[in-house]
Amino acid sequence: GAVVSQHPSWVICKSGTSVKIECRSLDFQATTMFWYRQFPKQSLMLMATSNEGSKATYEQGVEKDKFLINHASLTLSTLTVTSAHPEDSSFYICSAPSRGSAQYFGPGTRLLVL
Amino acid sequence: AQSVSQHNHHVILSEAASLELGCNYSYGGTVNLFWYVQYPGQHLQLLLKYFSGDPLVKGIKGFEAEFIKSKFSFNLRKPSVQWSDTAEYFCAVTPTGAAGNKLTFGGGTRVLVKP
Repeated sequence: GAVVSQHPSWVICKSGTSVKIECRSLDFQATTMFWYRQFPKQSLMLMATSNEGSKATYEQGVEKDKFLINHASLTLSTLTVTSAHPEDSSFYICSAPSRGSAQYFGPGTRLLVL
Repeated sequence: AQSVSQHNHHVILSEAASLELGCNYSYGGTVNLFWYVQYPGQHLQLLLKYFSGDPLVKGIKGFEAEFIKSKFSFNLRKPSVQWSDTAEYFCAVTPTGAAGNKLTFGGGTRVLVKP
């Protein structure tokens, strides 16, 4: 089946630093990828839609200058959390749709901002 | 915009018991429906999906779901659960159309199966 990877799987950083998270589709091309955020014991909340070759589309309430998204190729999207603060600590998950409208999810990246 | 509601936040049951998780959605048009499972420490995996046709959908690991259009429901069932079914289950919808539509998730249901 289709595989989506994320790197890193977890990261700890100091407040004020920026963190980049990569999402790759390993055996298929994805012109669109999605970034979600999952707080403990809560569901996934869509943050933004990453579009290859064009600007990302952000959901209401998500700061585009805070969460920079770059979809550099048909297999890679990156999410950069800029000037991270403790409230940005969360589990970030990406997904990519494959044939048939099903989406495949990455394993997630756990971010802890101290 | 669409929304998804899952009735139970937590379910605890014993092995061999039957499981049914409720899911209702609201949307003005036609939708694709999904159930995803997240095992402890693992990423989301697709259990089953409904796009069209037979409203009773069979998925992996003995799970099935029934789409009842009149009730806007897509409940998940398994006749006899195992300890390994302990996980969190998410119902999700997306409007029908081109591949790549964004998913809207329900709040999730944590299922604990006691051995």
